[in-house]
Amino acid sequence: EAGVVQSPRYKIIEKKQPVAFWCNPISGHNTLYWYRQNLGQGPELLIRYENEEAVDDSQLPKDRFSAERLKGVDSTLKIQPAELGDSAVYLCASSRRGNTIYFGEGSWLTVV
Amino acid sequence: RKEVEQDPGPFNVPEGATVAFNCTYSNSASQSFFWYRQDCRKEPKLLMSVYSSGNEDGRFTAQLNRASQYISLLIRDSKLSDSATYLCVVNSGGSNYKLTFGKGTLLTVNP
Repeated sequence: EAGVVQSPRYKIIEKKQPVAFWCNPISGHNTLYWYRQNLGQGPELLIRYENEEAVDDSQLPKDRFSAERLKGVDSTLKIQPAELGDSAVYLCASSRRGNTIYFGEGSWLTVV
Repeated sequence: RKEVEQDPGPFNVPEGATVAFNCTYSNSASQSFFWYRQDCRKEPKLLMSVYSSGNEDGRFTAQLNRASQYISLLIRDSKLSDSATYLCVVNSGGSNYKLTFGKGTLLTVNP
């Protein structure tokens, strides 16, 4: 079974530029998560989807971050404009509801 | 107080040593608990769930004390391959899985 797939793996952008990350969850997993992990910290939830509905986006900085999961499968996370403090690993994860969460390898963002 | 607090580490131990990680959580309504392992520059992966009765998986033993809001992980007979960051994870969302991660504790097992 294929795992959670994310792209790009690495991205370097200048501040104020936009950036987007893509995630394809494990087949059959209706719950999708985006986490952000800063260096030396644990992952922090940005947004959680149940199918195409964002059921928890309380930690998403909505002034510059947006996310979508239009057909309840793939998802994109966008930052516009990026700031230096956005440098982090953006982890996508998926699960069947109430079951183990599986993470993708992450998208490493560096804002310069 | 942070929602999930772990030993700051890092831990450096010789092969064969026993090492224990401690974790406390602040939300008394939390319902399920986990230890995740994260290798350098890799994604977190579930190591084991933590049950009230305590549970063991080979060299790994997890304990939960709900009254003290305390979780532990014990690794016996450490191997070089155990070197990683260990993340304490608390679910306060029931079946909705609202996971809160600790900062993690880095373990290095030396030959």
